[in-house]
Amino acid sequence: EIVLTQSPGTLSLSPGERATLSCRASQSVSSSYLAWYQQKPGQAPRLLIYGASSRATGIPDRFSGSGSGTDFTLTISRLEPEDFAVYYCQQYGSSPPWITFGQGTRLEIK
Amino acid sequence: QLQLQESGSGLVKPSQTLSLTCAVSGGSISSGGYSWSWIRQPPGKGLEWIGYIYHSGSTYYNPSLKSRVTISVDRSKNQFSLKLSSVTAADTAVYYCARGALGFDPWGQGTLVTVSS
Repeated sequence: EIVLTQSPGTLSLSPGERATLSCRASQSVSSSYLAWYQQKPGQAPRLLIYGASSRATGIPDRFSGSGSGTDFTLTISRLEPEDFAVYYCQQYGSSPPWITFGQGTRLEIK
Repeated sequence: QLQLQESGSGLVKPSQTLSLTCAVSGGSISSGGYSWSWIRQPPGKGLEWIGYIYHSGSTYYNPSLKSRVTISVDRSKNQFSLKLSSVTAADTAVYYCARGALGFDPWGQGTLVTVSS
């Protein structure tokens, strides 16, 4: 099983600031199979980034993903009020197929 | 626009079987290249993948749940289903269905299932 560890657990920032969220894997992950999600209270998660760096349809360009191997990053360049939420990374392993999520990073308003 | 909607019993007794259905609209569940997943989230906690079924009918389950999980598809109704047997309070969660490719998108709104006598 590939374990994904997200840091920090909670990130306190102000609107307009830059947010950097980390996702570290216990073993190498194919970049094609690393995704990021945003979840707001009472809502289903929303796909933000797939393939480590490709934005999903309709996702603003202030969201960007990067990384490879075991270290991946989600960056929000300038925080908008609606960006404060919980963010999860997720990987898909192919042999055998096994999907895991990180434990999440809570992005809160400072 | 593809939409997914979960339905099923919101209250299940311990040791019984949880049964949920995900209705797919705006597209065909038989479309190639996609998997159809169940994912759950205990109250206040993170996300756990339960398993998925491919358009071909092949299934893959989370090893930690494999002995209790069955995912099936009904192409005539354009829906897929989850059965989780021998439930305990630890299975209390919001259950989501989602279409998978290189990421899960879209998701259903989720349905809360409580395991309690």
